Amino acid sequence: DGGITQSPKYLFRKEGQNVTLSCEQNLNHDAMYWYRQDPGQGLRLIYYSQIVNDFQKGDIAEGYSVSREKKESFPLTVTSAQKNPTAFYLCASSPPRGGALGNQPQHFGDGTRLSIL
Amino acid sequence: KNEVEQSPQNLTAQEGEFITINCSYSVGISALHWLQQHPGGGIVSLFMLSSGKKKHGRLIATINIQEKHSSLHITASHPRDSAVYICAVRGTSGSRLTFGEGTQLTVNP
Repeated sequence: DGGITQSPKYLFRKEGQNVTLSCEQNLNHDAMYWYRQDPGQGLRLIYYSQIVNDFQKGDIAEGYSVSREKKESFPLTVTSAQKNPTAFYLCASSPPRGGALGNQPQHFGDGTRLSIL
Repeated sequence: KNEVEQSPQNLTAQEGEFITINCSYSVGISALHWLQQHPGGGIVSLFMLSSGKKKHGRLIATINIQEKHSSLHITASHPRDSAVYICAVRGTSGSRLTFGEGTQLTVNP
């Protein structure tokens, strides 16, 4: 079945260390998104990509980086510059807005929970 | 003030009760989503609507564009409905979503 796979489910980071969260989709979606979820807050957009080799900053991009070298993959790196990285990270994808599938909802992965050691 | 406000934040119900969760938004939208997040964290899309009403099983979603308001109803609630329900809106340009803070629903047997 098609879907979005995030790995790992749980991740621990030492102070000053970069970590990369994986997100893979086999839905043939053009657009992919990374969100951060903190307790008591709505999901906040970190980065998004509407097409391969292109991505844009979301609302809280500082301390994060992404790449979109393949349509299926949109990894998120949490850098040492992110001072409060402990959170739940969700990846999502969707078809482009235009075209026959433009009116489709975003599909979400199961998330990665990142904690600081 | 958040662009998307949900109420209540927390809701506890007895099995079988009719449940309503509300969502108000302050921006122009092209679509509104209702999402369900289970304790494990994964999110499932329940509805996407831009007008009127949609029904799926025991779930009903309505939207009033003029009043910038949507409701999610659950009929004959069941403990397995216990989850966080999230309202999200998509603006009139682009595909970005803005999310409400979610409503934690607990249905007791």
